[in-house]
Amino acid sequence: DAGVTQSPTHLIKTRGQQVTLRCSPKSGHDTVSWYQQALGQGPQFIFQYYEEEERQRGNFPDRFSGHQFPNYSSELNVNALLLGDSALYLCASSLGGEGAFFGQGTRLTVV
Amino acid sequence: KNEVEQSPQNLTAQEGEFITINCSYSVGISALHWLQQHPGGGIVSLFMLSSGKKKHGRLIATINIQEKHSSLHITASHPRDSAVYICAVTGSARQLTFGSGTQLTVLP
Repeated sequence: DAGVTQSPTHLIKTRGQQVTLRCSPKSGHDTVSWYQQALGQGPQFIFQYYEEEERQRGNFPDRFSGHQFPNYSSELNVNALLLGDSALYLCASSLGGEGAFFGQGTRLTVV
Repeated sequence: KNEVEQSPQNLTAQEGEFITINCSYSVGISALHWLQQHPGGGIVSLFMLSSGKKKHGRLIATINIQEKHSSLHITASHPRDSAVYICAVTGSARQLTFGSGTQLTVLP
């Protein structure tokens, strides 16, 4: 079992561009949550996907969107990137929203 | 006031010392998590608690639901325990709310 895998591990983008981050959940898990962790801070909840729908959303603008596929994998899309979007993006999977297994994260740098 | 408060923010210990990190929360929860984050980012889930006490190797986690308080203890600390330890809670909305973390450094 590979656990939660995220890709890519590191990414550099230019302000104004769009980015897509990917997450494959732990085998058997059906729920994927995305978090943003700025340097030196705790993770902040972006949104959670369950049964291919966004079930909950944190306090993030509409520039942040996502998708969950039938195989439970998920994508996080960020449009019109700002310098302040530079952060570690973490994906966590669970079964029905209980528990949390984290991936290694994607380090996004916006220049 | 943050919903999840951790203390201390930074902790330096000598190898072999007994370490305690504390977490207090102000909301109703269904579970509390202790997480470990090493430089480079990846987060490892150490414990998920809804009551009582759990032990795994040199790590012990306790929770007092009435007092809304949890502690993470590390016995016989080792330099490889150096990491950020994060307390997070699962509320009614099933999303995790995180504390700001405790940076632990264990010196040889």
